[in-house]
Amino acid sequence: GQNIDQPTEMTATEGAIVQINCTYQTSGFNGLFWYQQHAGEAPTFLSYNVLDGLEEKGRFSSFLSRSKGYSYLLLKELQMKDSASYLCAVSDSNYQLIWGAGTKLIIKP
Amino acid sequence: GAVVSQHPSWVICKSGTSVKIECRSLDFQATTMFWYRQFPKQSLMLMATSNEGSKATYEQGVEKDKFLINHASLTLSTLTVTSAHPEDSSFYICSARGGADYNEQFFGPGTRLTVL
Repeated sequence: GQNIDQPTEMTATEGAIVQINCTYQTSGFNGLFWYQQHAGEAPTFLSYNVLDGLEEKGRFSSFLSRSKGYSYLLLKELQMKDSASYLCAVSDSNYQLIWGAGTKLIIKP
Repeated sequence: GAVVSQHPSWVICKSGTSVKIECRSLDFQATTMFWYRQFPKQSLMLMATSNEGSKATYEQGVEKDKFLINHASLTLSTLTVTSAHPEDSSFYICSARGGADYNEQFFGPGTRLTVL
């Protein structure tokens, strides 16, 4: 079957760095997405990886290893507004998104 | 970037009534639209996938006669929750695909449905 695993919840301190991991097993692979979702709102796009390596975009970076079925989202210089759920999603062979359950990130002052 | 709108943003209705939710792609043609449902503290659950001009493909466990999906044009899809019941209360989110990057889905802001 298809499976996406990510931690349920993480806590970090304002100004620090946090890494949210995602492992996947899917039928086919056409890229991995990270989305941010604040409570009561729809997801917003953060990053897309289809080749191995690190993609950096401001305070957020995303890494992919296709051979390991593994990705992480790295958030630097954490701000209170980064408190949200972070969703990992893989595009399978049919270009359909398979979603992880999301990681709730709590930022403490 | 690509913009997707949803209307209404929230709706409260009585049990037994039907509710229609619209999803529009504002600046691109959406060949495929997706409808998701999200219950509190849970992840997105795909309900159905619709391609313009054809019948929607429903996920297992989603009643196609209860959740009617129409994708009559490249910019509009509608989801009608028929004979809504309190257990249908949820956050309904649509997404659209078909812009320059075929792989990416652009999400609407969501519709919060409360059935009394």
